[in-house]
Amino acid sequence: AQSVSQHNHHVILSEAASLELGCNYSYGGTVNLFWYVQYPGQHLQLLLKYFSGDPLVKGIKGFEAEFIKSKFSFNLRKPSVQWSDTAEYFCAVNGDGGFKTIFGAGTRLFVKA
Amino acid sequence: GAVVSQHPSWVICKSGTSVKIECRSLDFQATTMFWYRQFPKQSLMLMATSNEGSKATYEQGVEKDKFLINHASLTLSTLTVTSAHPEDSSFYICSAHVDFGREETQYFGPGTRLLVL
Repeated sequence: AQSVSQHNHHVILSEAASLELGCNYSYGGTVNLFWYVQYPGQHLQLLLKYFSGDPLVKGIKGFEAEFIKSKFSFNLRKPSVQWSDTAEYFCAVNGDGGFKTIFGAGTRLFVKA
Repeated sequence: GAVVSQHPSWVICKSGTSVKIECRSLDFQATTMFWYRQFPKQSLMLMATSNEGSKATYEQGVEKDKFLINHASLTLSTLTVTSAHPEDSSFYICSAHVDFGREETQYFGPGTRLLVL
């Protein structure tokens, strides 16, 4: 069965530190990959997405993610986090063959000012 | 950008009553909407796919008679939790599906928090 795993449930960083959140999926077909962010008290928002083409995807607010097909990974990165990046981040995957979107368990990021 | 609204944002009801939650796409049409459920500290679990003009498709383990879905128009889907019980207390989130060929994207509503006493 298809699955999505996020390696860290909680991450605590100081401002200006670099961020990398891991996401791995299990599915052998063609996939679409997403990162969503949920700020405290707000609804899910799309941060970035990959459908095809350049495996390095740039998103909003300085985030980027790299699709490494051989590793079934789509890790989220940001070179320098800010206090306002405190949120929960969800990786999501869907794909061909009727593969509906499934979400990872989420990673709660807390950035210390 | 595409906006999805949900109403109500939160509701408290007595056990045994039914609760209706609305999901609307405000500035676009969505032939497909999804309903998710999110438990505390857990990820979103897809409950059902709502298709305009046809019956909803429920995920395994979701009771279709318990969670009634009606997608009456291209901008509105409703989820009715019938005879709600405390174990139905959860955060229900809808999303509207936009299909640009292979580039499919979902826009999420703000969620509805349901508490059944």
